[in-house]
Amino acid sequence: TQLLEQSPQFLSIQEGENLTVYCNSSSVFSSLQWYRQEPGEGPVLLVTVVTGGEVKKLKRLTFQFGDARKDSSLHITAAQPGDTGLYLCAGEPGNAGGTSYGKLTFGQGTILTVHP
Amino acid sequence: EAGVAQSPRYKIIEKRQSVAFWCNPISGHATLYWYQQILGQGPKLLIQFQNNGVVDDSQLPKDRFSAERLKGVDSTLKIQPAKLEDSAVYLCASSSREGTDTQYFGPGTRLTVL
Repeated sequence: TQLLEQSPQFLSIQEGENLTVYCNSSSVFSSLQWYRQEPGEGPVLLVTVVTGGEVKKLKRLTFQFGDARKDSSLHITAAQPGDTGLYLCAGEPGNAGGTSYGKLTFGQGTILTVHP
Repeated sequence: EAGVAQSPRYKIIEKRQSVAFWCNPISGHATLYWYQQILGQGPKLLIQFQNNGVVDDSQLPKDRFSAERLKGVDSTLKIQPAKLEDSAVYLCASSSREGTDTQYFGPGTRLTVL
């Protein structure tokens, strides 16, 4: 079983601060996804990274996939109260170009609270 | 485009009772997933369908859980009999095909087993 460990589990910050969430594994993933989940709703995909070393930016969010495709990070610049939620990383097991037919392994999530 | 629909949204039952959840995926999506999300954890895949066939049910507790997708569209997940540890949110997701295609999640059914 391939495990993804997220850290920190909880993050409480003030509006305007920066933060980084980490997602680590000893296993290689062919791709890694980041989701945001709000209470009472299902996870919503933010980004998919597939290439080792890849960096993607989505407004104030920056996602990075580790060179060895075993880890990833999510960095939020100038956090806002609207960023509050549960952030989940999910990996698709396998090597680059491979597929596990959509089977995702999720981390346990990071609960982010941004105070006004 | 309508999203993934799930019902009921909430269910409270006593242990040893039976319960069923229903999912209607996005129209045209061939792949359907059921996940279990226990409080404080990420979703765990229970079963994956491709059309009406099972692709992966390796993490489905088959002694008490069953799922079907008879016509390749809607799906039901059943628990019989329920245990206290089954208390969780059950999420349904769909994607247009297998592989790294985006999975779209429904709002989930929150099950409480007393």
